[in-house]
Amino acid sequence: AQKVTQAQTEISVVEKEDVTLDCVYETRDTTYYLFWYKQPPSGELVFLIRRNSFDEQNEISGRYSWNFQKSTSSFNFTITASQVVDSAVYFCALSEANRGSTLGRLYFGRGTQLTVWP
Amino acid sequence: GAGVSQTPSNKVTEKGKYVELRCDPISGHTALYWYRQSLGQGPEFLIYFQGTGAADDSGLPNDRFFAVRPEGSVSTLKIQRTERGDSAVYLCASSLGGGRANEQFFGPGTRLTVL
Repeated sequence: AQKVTQAQTEISVVEKEDVTLDCVYETRDTTYYLFWYKQPPSGELVFLIRRNSFDEQNEISGRYSWNFQKSTSSFNFTITASQVVDSAVYFCALSEANRGSTLGRLYFGRGTQLTVWP
Repeated sequence: GAGVSQTPSNKVTEKGKYVELRCDPISGHTALYWYRQSLGQGPEFLIYFQGTGAADDSGLPNDRFFAVRPEGSVSTLKIQRTERGDSAVYLCASSLGGGRANEQFFGPGTRLTVL
């Protein structure tokens, strides 16, 4: 079963619009970590954020914000006032941490291609 | 500062040939991961090294794939008798430790094309 689901394959918005990228995860571990990575056209994965399963506080970093809800197993990512430079593929990932899990192994979703038009 | 580097950046080979892909992690990072990313997909885990030993190789698709890290730094992913289905971008990542929370720094990848 897919551990991380990103149902949105592609999203297109016009500059300055807000956009939310969805992520739903599945795990039996009680301790786990969730990540978002950005993959621009150059191909290199860029780390954006990490949350642990015990911290459900939402986080804001500039134009980026993340909404973690354990009740719905979701970790959504919102970009406010999008810019052309935000165009990239965004990946949500899960790392499990209970006994028997490989520490640090990341399970990625299939990614969401975001295109921001000028 | 030096990030994770991977060589070659591109590799084109013929079906049945042997290839080696190299990863230079960030200095001091003890944990090293290999992932494979097919077109339109997210990266998929292949193998994890903690120091010199492969702590988890459960992601290797079959016995044609093998990886080593003899001195706990540079790692080489080896693919024997390549098949067209092996075509993908191979990503390497390193982190300070194997901790579940440690941020993984990814290299630019090696794009492997098997003709």
